[in-house]
Amino acid sequence: GENVEQHPSTLSVQEGDSAVIKCTYSDSASNYFPWYKQELGKRPQLIIDIRSNVGEKKDQRIAVTLNKTAKHFSLHITETQPEDSAVYFCAASRANFGNEKLTFGTGTRLTIIP
Amino acid sequence: DAMVIQNPRYQVTQFGKPVTLSCSQTLNHNVMYWYQQKSSQAPKLLFHYYDKDFNNEADTPDNFQSRRPNTSFCFLDIRSPGLGDAAMYLCATSRLRRAGPSTDTQYFGPGTRLTVL
Repeated sequence: GENVEQHPSTLSVQEGDSAVIKCTYSDSASNYFPWYKQELGKRPQLIIDIRSNVGEKKDQRIAVTLNKTAKHFSLHITETQPEDSAVYFCAASRANFGNEKLTFGTGTRLTIIP
Repeated sequence: DAMVIQNPRYQVTQFGKPVTLSCSQTLNHNVMYWYQQKSSQAPKLLFHYYDKDFNNEADTPDNFQSRRPNTSFCFLDIRSPGLGDAAMYLCATSRLRRAGPSTDTQYFGPGTRLTVL
């Protein structure tokens, strides 16, 4: 089955600086890669996702890049703010044709230092 | 924003006393998932329903059961909770088709925090 590794497990960044979280996956058939943000005691919330037919996607301060050859994808947060502090999970799945399960990474606890 | 609703938000039960957690959704999604999440860990999939088809994960203990009486509702039954079952239980939904492009995005409910005394 799919295996997703996520690094780093913790990350502290000065407010205003950029944060990068990296994930690798093992199943070359995976083609859908969402990122979830989870604040303490709250539900995971989708912040951005990317499909394997594109290499990069951006939404304001958040961007995700995908390298299918190397089987890794990364989350980039620019101009970080205190409200970006949370745990971030990457995930991968083989979308289409009824394959509906996500495999999650182990999470990154991001702390923004004011 | 109440698209995936979970009740109760907090549940306290005694060791060995059965408990049922509920999830409902207004999205009309055909797939519903139950996850267990322990502190500082990723959500762990217990099982999911694809329409009426139940899909159990290989490592989900028999102590955990699920029911989906209709599209909107799904229940998680823990027959004999142990101390190790204390966790956040998350319900999620997605809209998928057996052929062609799928939505894939999973929308999570707020979770039920289970305490076992």
